[in-house]
Amino acid sequence: DVKVTQSSRYLVKRTGEKVFLECVQDMDHENMFWYRQDPGLGLRLIYFSYDVKMKEKGDIPEGYSVSREKKERFSLILESASTNQTSMYLCASRQGEFDTGELFFGEGSRLTVL
Amino acid sequence: GQNIDQPTEMTATEGAIVQINCTYQTSGFNGLFWYQQHAGEAPTFLSYNVLDGLEEKGRFSSFLSRSKGYSYLLLKELQMKDSASYLCAVVSGTYKYIFGTGTRLKVLA
Repeated sequence: DVKVTQSSRYLVKRTGEKVFLECVQDMDHENMFWYRQDPGLGLRLIYFSYDVKMKEKGDIPEGYSVSREKKERFSLILESASTNQTSMYLCASRQGEFDTGELFFGEGSRLTVL
Repeated sequence: GQNIDQPTEMTATEGAIVQINCTYQTSGFNGLFWYQQHAGEAPTFLSYNVLDGLEEKGRFSSFLSRSKGYSYLLLKELQMKDSASYLCAVVSGTYKYIFGTGTRLKVLA
């Protein structure tokens, strides 16, 4: 069974803290994505990575950075958390740009910033 | 701009049939996905349409009309476990997935 695992299901952080959200996939997928999901706004792309050490900004990258040092792991970093980053964060992976395009999602990390 | 519209909420009775509509306006089109998401869980793949017509998979079917910018997901013989959010997503570029806000379906006994 394919699996995308996010390290933390629930986190509570304080404004200004540095936050790391980790995502690991076991499918040898090339592409990985970070989305945030907010009520009434749907899923919005923060960053994606099409290969190891390669990354591209999505639609809402401000306040976030990412790291992909190994193929299976894609990390989302909030350098200085703010209350408007309280959200559900979803990691996803995909085999590669030439496949059917199905995204496999992790179970999400619900972050609350106080 | 790029936009996907789907109803916010729907209610149906166990055993019934429900159709969830999705209309889209995007700059590109490489296919349309439907995902199911139970509360607090990961979205899971239901269907993929890239050509016009109906794709059937058990109790679930999905239809696409590219000329109309329209898709629907049809759920037959509804079960309580079908209570979930249903996300419509258009692939408009190599790495660009545009998601609707989701339709929350409540199945009543």
